[in-house]
Amino acid sequence: DADVTQTPRNRITKTGKRIMLECSQTKGHDRMYWYRQDPGLGLRLIYYSFDVKDINKGEISDGYSVSRQAQAKFSLSLESAIPNQTALYFCATSDTSGFPSTDTQYFGPGTRLTVL
Amino acid sequence: KQEVTQIPAALSVPEGENLVLNCSFTDSAIYNLQWFRQDPGKGLTSLLLIQSSQREQTSGRLNASLDKSSGRSTLYIAASQPGDSATYLCAVNQAGTALIFGKGTTLSVSS
Repeated sequence: DADVTQTPRNRITKTGKRIMLECSQTKGHDRMYWYRQDPGLGLRLIYYSFDVKDINKGEISDGYSVSRQAQAKFSLSLESAIPNQTALYFCATSDTSGFPSTDTQYFGPGTRLTVL
Repeated sequence: KQEVTQIPAALSVPEGENLVLNCSFTDSAIYNLQWFRQDPGKGLTSLLLIQSSQREQTSGRLNASLDKSSGRSTLYIAASQPGDSATYLCAVNQAGTALIFGKGTTLSVSS
């Protein structure tokens, strides 16, 4: 079984709809992240969470919100989807426990979102 | 603001060739640097991670080096194979934040 799972894997929605992308991990990591990937722009950080009570905005957080429901779950919401939010979305986790800590990031398989 | 650049954007080589992918970053105050592989439409697979105190890491045919003072990292792939065809991404981790990615080098290895 995959350590980092994302649901749904593909989603087509219409402008103005609210949608939620979910991420779950079985790695026991404390940190979780949401990135989006656009052709020609690379991966950019949307939000990150270093533990359940810690949520931080990334480079491109406008139009998005997140919820860290538990250590293992981190969801991303688009309150009112717009076409320029069409992209490939990735969830990632990392672990800062242990010594030395490497903070290696592990990525989920991605969610392809299309906003019409 | 940290910026990460990868050159070249695309590279085509015949099977068996040794090759080097380049990554540069503007702020040397990094925690670590990570190289990833991404197949078309797929997720990212971590290849190598180099801590800021390290000079290189090796895994099989892959060797990554880090020169923090000059803001450069290289990924060396020995004896390339068609299965190595993918996009390779470099990302730097600045302590207290998340990864900052380059735009990647798309590698094509022909048989």
